[in-house]
Amino acid sequence: EVQLVESGGGLVQPGRSLRLSCAASGFTFDDYAMHWVRQAPGKGLEWVSGISWNSGSIGYADSVKGRFTISRDNAKNSLYLQMNSLRAEDTALYYCAKDGEGGILTGYCDYWGQGTLVTVSS
Amino acid sequence: DIQMTQSPSTLSASVGDRVTITCRASQSISSWLAWYQQKPGKAPKLLIYKASSLESGVPSRFSGSGSGTEFTLTISSLQPDDFATYYCQQYNSYPFTFGPGTKVDIK
Repeated sequence: EVQLVESGGGLVQPGRSLRLSCAASGFTFDDYAMHWVRQAPGKGLEWVSGISWNSGSIGYADSVKGRFTISRDNAKNSLYLQMNSLRAEDTALYYCAKDGEGGILTGYCDYWGQGTLVTVSS
Repeated sequence: DIQMTQSPSTLSASVGDRVTITCRASQSISSWLAWYQQKPGKAPKLLIYKASSLESGVPSRFSGSGSGTEFTLTISSLQPDDFATYYCQQYNSYPFTFGPGTKVDIK
């Protein structure tokens, strides 16, 4: 059974940093690209970033480009999101998701975690 | 960036109704479109990928169609479990944008 468990969320002041982690199990992690998708309270879904199996292809939403960095450690079956210069508008539930196709960064997600909440406020 | 729109934003329907949701892209995305269902407090669930391919385990009452800039998600006979919010997502090019969602509620 595919499981994705996010951690690292919490309350952080504007301008500070936070690192999210996602522990993956139930599938061969290094065979698949991975994504972060967020959802602000009461709002819709926003794709944040994606990374191919070997970190060779990476994409970001315009809203986070230059501030967030996605990475993965295939030996640890883990996905990460380093979030710097956080803003109030980054407040959201952050989901880790598995790419539906394979190692190439295709873009749609077939399995999702339950999310970790990030709140940016002073 | 490719902008995605959905209509309607809210849809009131009854069990057994045929329901159609439309998704439009600001430029051609070929068939690189997915549909998701999300219930309150839950993670999204993949329903359809590549515009019309049904994800494994998803009931056959769900179907997708379209290509280029206009797409539809159809639920042939609405069931009680289908009351939820539905999102389309383009994955033709970065960033992989979602539509604003369509909430299907009970009439």
